[in-house]
Amino acid sequence: GENVEQHPSTLSVQEGDSAVIKCTYSDSASNYFPWYKQELGKGPQLIIDIRSNVGEKKDQRIAVTLNKTAKHFSLHITETQPEDSAVYFCAVSWGKLQFGAGTQVVVTP
Amino acid sequence: EAGVAQSPRYKIIEKRQSVAFWCNPISGHATLYWYQQILGQGPKLLIQFQNNGVVDDSQLPKDRFSAERLKGVDSTLKIQPAKLEDSAVYLCASSLPWTTRAKNIQYFGAGTRLSVL
Repeated sequence: GENVEQHPSTLSVQEGDSAVIKCTYSDSASNYFPWYKQELGKGPQLIIDIRSNVGEKKDQRIAVTLNKTAKHFSLHITETQPEDSAVYFCAVSWGKLQFGAGTQVVVTP
Repeated sequence: EAGVAQSPRYKIIEKRQSVAFWCNPISGHATLYWYQQILGQGPKLLIQFQNNGVVDDSQLPKDRFSAERLKGVDSTLKIQPAKLEDSAVYLCASSLPWTTRAKNIQYFGAGTRLSVL
């Protein structure tokens, strides 16, 4: 089955700085790579996604990059704000969604 | 648009007792998923329904877990008997009809936090 590794497990950044989370996967058949944000007491919420035929996608302060050859993809958050504090999950899909273990992001004012 | 509704939000039971969780998906979403999220981990798929049929239940511990979606809308997940290791958040998600080629964007409910003592 698919194996998704996510790093780092925790990330502390100063407000205004950038945050980067990286994920690697094993199944080359994977074709869809979403990122979810989970706030305390809530379910995961999709924040950005990318298909396997695209190398980069940006939506305001967040961006995702995909390297299919190396089988890794990354989430970039620029100009971080306190409301960006949450757990972020990468996921990989080839029809079935497999999640990484999550990254706890703490943005300090 | 209403989101995925789940109840109860919290449940505390003793081991060997039974428990049931309820989920109402987003209107029009044919596909419904149940996930188990253990503290500090990502969600793990337990079962996936397309309308009222099971698409994937390969990771459902069938000796104690069961799920149904009788009319293709609401779903219930049951655990009987519960074990200590079942303590987790149980998330329900829904999406438009599932295909291998589509994104299958999943929308999650807030989950039910289960504590087994």
